[in-house]
Amino acid sequence: DIQMTQSPSTLSASVGDRVTITCRASQSIGALLAWYQQKPGKAPKLLISKASNLDSGVPARFSGSGSGTEFTLTISSLQPDDFATYYCQQCNTYPITFGQGTRLDIK
Amino acid sequence: EVQLVESGGGMVQPGGSLRLSCAASGFTFSERIMDWVRQAPGKGLEWVGRIRDKANRYTTEYAASVRGRFTISRDDSKNSLFLQMNSLNTEDTAVYYCAKDSGSGKYFDYWGQGALVTVSS
Repeated sequence: DIQMTQSPSTLSASVGDRVTITCRASQSIGALLAWYQQKPGKAPKLLISKASNLDSGVPARFSGSGSGTEFTLTISSLQPDDFATYYCQQCNTYPITFGQGTRLDIK
Repeated sequence: EVQLVESGGGMVQPGGSLRLSCAASGFTFSERIMDWVRQAPGKGLEWVGRIRDKANRYTTEYAASVRGRFTISRDDSKNSLFLQMNSLNTEDTAVYYCAKDSGSGKYFDYWGQGALVTVSS
């Protein structure tokens, strides 16, 4: 199975900050990576597919990059609505696997 | 508007069975691969399995943790997805989400609200 490791597990930041979350795959997955945002008690929401493609309606302050085994999700200027947990997911092979999540807290 | 609505969750004893349903609307259900993803309380996301469409012979894939115990099926005439769960154990306690495959990769562009399954004696 492909293991997905996110860092950090928890991140404290302030409104307006630029933040970056890293996701590493245990083997190369090309650009077959997705990012999701999840708020407490809610279903995950797709943010980015194929490493860097912003889903429809997702604000442009979100961006994704990377290929192979290392990927990043960047939020250029944090807004109050962005405080949530973020998951990466590899879309390359079965079983589909997720990172353990990164909780983004208000500092 | 795409909608996915799960039902059938509840409490069941270890060793028991439960069947979840997911009612889909707002898209051509019969043409889409559908998945189940679960989330144990306070934990991360775990993919459970998927079922492909008629064009791909309704073939399925499962996570090792559920293979042989869980069965995914669908009824395209009713725009419905199912998850039959047998031999449940406490580690299966989770919110179960049905999710729609994007159609252009193994990622999920729409999710249901989730159904809570609690396995406890």
